[in-house]
Amino acid sequence: QVQLKESGPGLVQPSQTLSLTCTVSGFSLTSNSVHWVRQPPGKGLEWVGAIWSGGSTDYNSALKSRLSISRDTSKSQVFLKMNSLQTEDTAIYFCTRGIGLCWGQGVMVTVSS
Amino acid sequence: DVLMTQTPVSLPVSLGGQVSISCRSSQSLVHSDGNTYLHWYLQKPGQSPQLLIYRVSNRFSGVPDRFSGSGSGTDFTLKISRVEPEDLGVYYCLQSTHFPLTFGSGTKLEIK
Repeated sequence: QVQLKESGPGLVQPSQTLSLTCTVSGFSLTSNSVHWVRQPPGKGLEWVGAIWSGGSTDYNSALKSRLSISRDTSKSQVFLKMNSLQTEDTAIYFCTRGIGLCWGQGVMVTVSS
Repeated sequence: DVLMTQTPVSLPVSLGGQVSISCRSSQSLVHSDGNTYLHWYLQKPGQSPQLLIYRVSNRFSGVPDRFSGSGSGTDFTLKISRVEPEDLGVYYCLQSTHFPLTFGSGTKLEIK
């Protein structure tokens, strides 16, 4: 059964770095891409970035300078790191298999002092 | 970035009725490989989004045939017939032809 689960801190201080983990099961990271999508409270969806089956990455151009996505295939985990966080980065962060074939439950991240 | 304009913002519907949602892109979504990477999702209240339609008109596994997608180039439509209570929520289109991927702003389907 395909599953994805996001984990990370619920609260991050402004200007600090966000680190999230997406732990997957039921599929291989070397055969599938994993995308990150975020949703500010009460708003729409925004594509954050992706790591492809071969390990290459693509990022939202507005976030690219602050964003890094990596993975550990042996642990079936994908990592998102975003630095210089601002209040506008407050959102639910989802990881998905491919273009949303399967979604995690999401993790709420609040940027606040 | 490709701008995805989704209309309407809100769509009141009677149960059993039929509705259409439009998604227009600021540039053609035809990829150099010949495919068109336009997809539709439904986010039910309090849930993660779920894939309904991929590559314009292909229903994802388990999606009822009441849902259909059509369109080409820059103009796409999602049609829902015989609307049921479980169809209520916010619908989004997504283009993955061009980087960065971009979503439409969403259409909220609600009971009239």
